[in-house]
Amino acid sequence: ELKVEQNPLFLSMQEGKNYTIYCNYSTTSDRLYWYRQDPGKSLESLFVLLSNGAVKQEGRLMASLDTKARLSTLHITAAVHDLSATYFCAVDKSGNEKLTFGTGTRLTIIP
Amino acid sequence: DVKVTQSSRYLVKRTGEKVFLECVQDMDHENMFWYRQDPGLGLRLIYFSYDVKMKEKGDIPEGYSVSREKKERFSLILESASTNQTSMYLCASAVVRSREGQGEQFFGPGTRLTVL
Repeated sequence: ELKVEQNPLFLSMQEGKNYTIYCNYSTTSDRLYWYRQDPGKSLESLFVLLSNGAVKQEGRLMASLDTKARLSTLHITAAVHDLSATYFCAVDKSGNEKLTFGTGTRLTIIP
Repeated sequence: DVKVTQSSRYLVKRTGEKVFLECVQDMDHENMFWYRQDPGLGLRLIYFSYDVKMKEKGDIPEGYSVSREKKERFSLILESASTNQTSMYLCASAVVRSREGQGEQFFGPGTRLTVL
């Protein structure tokens, strides 16, 4: 059974600081996804990581994938209040159409 | 842009009622999914459909059924609603992996269902 673990589950950080969210998964996978969810809203796709060593950046967010370690990171640089949200990683078991989601990291940026 | 719509944002039903949640996507995606989202549990897959009239159970199918009569529409049915089915329900669609595309799922706005 594929398990996806995120940590931390809750993160409160000051504006301007850097931090990293970690996503570990238990079985071989060739695709990893990061989503953002604002309170009361649905999930919005942030990044799709398709291969080992993949790195993608959008604004203050950067995601990377290490398939050998079964680890993805979402790095936040110089956080701003607008980044406050819950972030989910999701993994699909190789060859499978379905995704398994992590439990999410609720990020709060404090002014 | 992909658009996934759900029939209701908020729904209140009574125990024992039959409940229909509708989802429509406009991008000709083969795959459609129903999830429920509960605090601390993340998203859990209820059912998945990869084609018209085709379905596959997810991780928590008990108490639910689905219907896909047209490619763009995927319905979730609660045959006899119970209080433990109070939750946020999210529908998603995706291109099948064998087609061009990265396999990401696109989500609808969600339906917050309360069963009294």
